[in-house]
Amino acid sequence: AQSVTQPDIHITVSEGASLELRCNYSYGATPYLFWYVQSPGQGLQLLLKYFSGDTLVQGIKGFEAEFKRSQSSFNLRKPSVHWSDAAEYFCAVRSSNTGKLIFGQGTTLQVKP
Amino acid sequence: GAVVSQHPSWVICKSGTSVKIECRSLDFQATTMFWYRQFPKQSLMLMATSNEGSKATYEQGVEKDKFLINHASLTLSTLTVTSAHPEDSSFYICSARSASGRGRTGELFFGEGSRLTVL
Repeated sequence: AQSVTQPDIHITVSEGASLELRCNYSYGATPYLFWYVQSPGQGLQLLLKYFSGDTLVQGIKGFEAEFKRSQSSFNLRKPSVHWSDAAEYFCAVRSSNTGKLIFGQGTTLQVKP
Repeated sequence: GAVVSQHPSWVICKSGTSVKIECRSLDFQATTMFWYRQFPKQSLMLMATSNEGSKATYEQGVEKDKFLINHASLTLSTLTVTSAHPEDSSFYICSARSASGRGRTGELFFGEGSRLTVL
């Protein structure tokens, strides 16, 4: 069965520092992978996605993620975090058969001034 | 980008009443919509897959008689929480898969969510 693990429940970084949020997946075939961001009380906004091709994916708001098949990982990175990046981040894998999105547990990002 | 609208964005109801939440794709047609439930500080749990013109497919452990899903048109799916109880209080989010219209076919778009509080 497909699954997604985000090992870090909560991360705090200083504004301007670099950020990496971890995501590991379990999926038999080539996965469709996503990163979403959720502000409190809001829906989800797609940051970026990986279907195939270049394993380094660029997204919105300066985020990028790298697909590493050997490590079953799809970590999200940003070189310099802004206070407005404080939010909940979800990694997800989509089943190519059913189209269902399976979400990780989420990582709460706190940004210190 | 493509927009999915949920209504109401928040609702408070008395225990025992039923509440209907609408999910509309505003500028694209969606043959498939998904309903999620999110508890505070937790992830999104898929409740059911809603297919236009057919019965919804529920995930294991989700009571289909409790959470009625109707996908009457290519732009509208509704979730009705029947005989709501305090434990049904949650944040409900829908997503719609683009079949035609704005957005790449197959792309998923999320609504803003609906917060239900049952007193």
